[in-house]
Amino acid sequence: DGGITQSPKYLFRKEGQNVTLSCEQNLNHDAMYWYRQDPGQGLRLIYYSQIVNDFQKGDIAEGYSVSREKKESFPLTVTSAQKNPTAFYLCASSPQGGGRNTEAFFGQGTRLTVV
Amino acid sequence: LAKTTQPISMDSYEGQEVNITCSHNNIATNDYITWYQQFPSQGPRFIIQGYKTKVTNEVASLFIPADRKSSTLSLPRVSLSDTAVYYCLVASGGYGNKLVFGAGTILRVKS
Repeated sequence: DGGITQSPKYLFRKEGQNVTLSCEQNLNHDAMYWYRQDPGQGLRLIYYSQIVNDFQKGDIAEGYSVSREKKESFPLTVTSAQKNPTAFYLCASSPQGGGRNTEAFFGQGTRLTVV
Repeated sequence: LAKTTQPISMDSYEGQEVNITCSHNNIATNDYITWYQQFPSQGPRFIIQGYKTKVTNEVASLFIPADRKSSTLSLPRVSLSDTAVYYCLVASGGYGNKLVFGAGTILRVKS
């Protein structure tokens, strides 16, 4: 069935290591997004992409990188430059075209813990 | 981008109707208003969307006044399972338009 899949659900990494979070969707959506959520806080936009091979920084892009080589995939790399990477990461997708096409579909999230 | 303002938290009891208001004074002509619900350790999910007046679906109603500078999500007869964070989002969905979430409203439903 259609949806958006994030993997893994839980991820542990040592401080100073880069780590890549996977996000795949089979909804044929043009737009994809990455958000970070800290305990008790709202969602903060890291990066977003609205077409293959193009992406833009969100509000907290420092220490993160992304790629959009395929429409279905939008992996997020948390680099060693991210000073406080431990958080809950959410990936989302939405159709394009304006108007009512703003409904975002979210994955189940990846909880990253850096030790 | 239209910035949204919501109450930080609300408390209610089972069976009551809950109304959560979102302020979006700078809403643009092409913007739609969408509400999401998020449970702990899960991604948000779509509840309802509207442009003006009133929209109703099987889980909620959305009231939007003529000036569109605010909107009210109405949850009829809430249950304990409605305890969650509710986000109001304003966006046009066009190319270059990013989806920015505010802090949301924590709704606690008590028995």
